[in-house]
Amino acid sequence: AQSVTQLDSQVPVFEEAPVELRCNYSSSVSVYLFWYVQYPNQGLQLLLKYLSGSTLVKGINGFEAEFNKSQTSFHLRKPSVHISDTAEYFCAVRDPNTGNQFYFGTGTSLTVIP
Amino acid sequence: ETGVTQSPTHLIKTRGQQVTLRCSSQSGHNTVSWYQQALGQGPQFIFQYYREEENGRGNFPPRFSGLQFPNYSSELNVNALELDDSALYLCASSLPGTMNTEAFFGQGTRLTVV
Repeated sequence: AQSVTQLDSQVPVFEEAPVELRCNYSSSVSVYLFWYVQYPNQGLQLLLKYLSGSTLVKGINGFEAEFNKSQTSFHLRKPSVHISDTAEYFCAVRDPNTGNQFYFGTGTSLTVIP
Repeated sequence: ETGVTQSPTHLIKTRGQQVTLRCSSQSGHNTVSWYQQALGQGPQFIFQYYREEENGRGNFPPRFSGLQFPNYSSELNVNALELDDSALYLCASSLPGTMNTEAFFGQGTRLTVV
């Protein structure tokens, strides 16, 4: 089974500052990688995904993530955050060969400070 | 096109009771998955239904069961509720042929067991 580690449970950052949310996964085989965002009392919304190809993936709301196979990482970044980015962020992995399920990390709570 | 809708949004049940949660998948999506998200945790895969049959199951006991109907809507049933079943239950649907690469989540049902 896959496992996903989100190294930071809480990340406070000032408005307009850059942010990086870290994610590492367990498998060295080819996997699909995702970042989801969850606003309070909401379901999950897809920010971006990596399936293959370019290791730099751009998503919605100005977010991007970089896939690093050697380090089994998929860190999420945004150059300048807004108050509206305050939310819970989940990294997830899916094995296309064996799985029909997402494996999620425990989440990172991003708080943007005015 | 409507998204994934879940009902009810909130529910309070007593330990030992049974509960049924409902999910209407996004139009044309024939694959539905259910996840349990305990407070402060990432979602955990319960099971997936594809064309009305269970197509994968996570580490949940048999008292968690499901159904998928011909219109691809789905139900999650939990018998003999326990206090630890208190969680947000998320439904996700996928398009045919893309169930590994895309999933759309509903807003969830918040179940409280007292």
